Amino acid sequence: DGGITQSPKYLFRKEGQNVTLSCEQNLNHDAMYWYRQDPGQGLRLIYYSQIVNDFQKGDIAEGYSVSREKKESFPLTVTSAQKNPTAFYLCASSLLAASSYEQYFGPGTRLTVT
Amino acid sequence: AQKVTQAQTEISVVEKEDVTLDCVYETRDTTYYLFWYKQPPSGELVFLIRRNSFDEQNEISGRYSWNFQKSTSSFNFTITASQVVDSAVYFCALSEANFANAGGTSYGKLTFGQGTILTVHP
Repeated sequence: DGGITQSPKYLFRKEGQNVTLSCEQNLNHDAMYWYRQDPGQGLRLIYYSQIVNDFQKGDIAEGYSVSREKKESFPLTVTSAQKNPTAFYLCASSLLAASSYEQYFGPGTRLTVT
Repeated sequence: AQKVTQAQTEISVVEKEDVTLDCVYETRDTTYYLFWYKQPPSGELVFLIRRNSFDEQNEISGRYSWNFQKSTSSFNFTITASQVVDSAVYFCALSEANFANAGGTSYGKLTFGQGTILTVHP
């Protein structure tokens, strides 16, 4: 079955620690995305990658970092510089990074930082 | 700048009622794409439909139908004979064909509305 996996489903961290969220896809998609969702709000784009070894900042990239060493994988690191890291994080992919292509989403990781 | 507004924060209906979720968008582009996604309690967003700006035909898929009107910049979603399983958060989203990042490269930036929480009671 093709799809996007994110692990873990729930993640708890202490303030000041960096944490890495995993995202893997086996859809053979070139483009991958990370979004953040806060209660009562829509999704906001953190980073996206159009192709391996390339990634670009989205609307709220401060305090986050990513890498794209393999087509299938796009991990997101939430650093200690992120002021409000507690949120629901969604990874997505699309065939190409073009507006006509729908994005497919993973199940999400709920991060709680205390 | 592109913007999507879903004015209905929450809607509550009883099973078998019809319900319409409103979506109004703003864009300066002539070529753009509109999407609807469903987010059930599990959290994963499920793609429902994509519509391009040149195709104003309404679409029906089972109990779901979509009404796209460029004149009012709206892309409304109707569920007929709602069921409990329809309970979810529904998002409308917009993607401009010519949106470019700081480096001048265009990509499919999705702008989401704030979502409408639909609760269908048995």
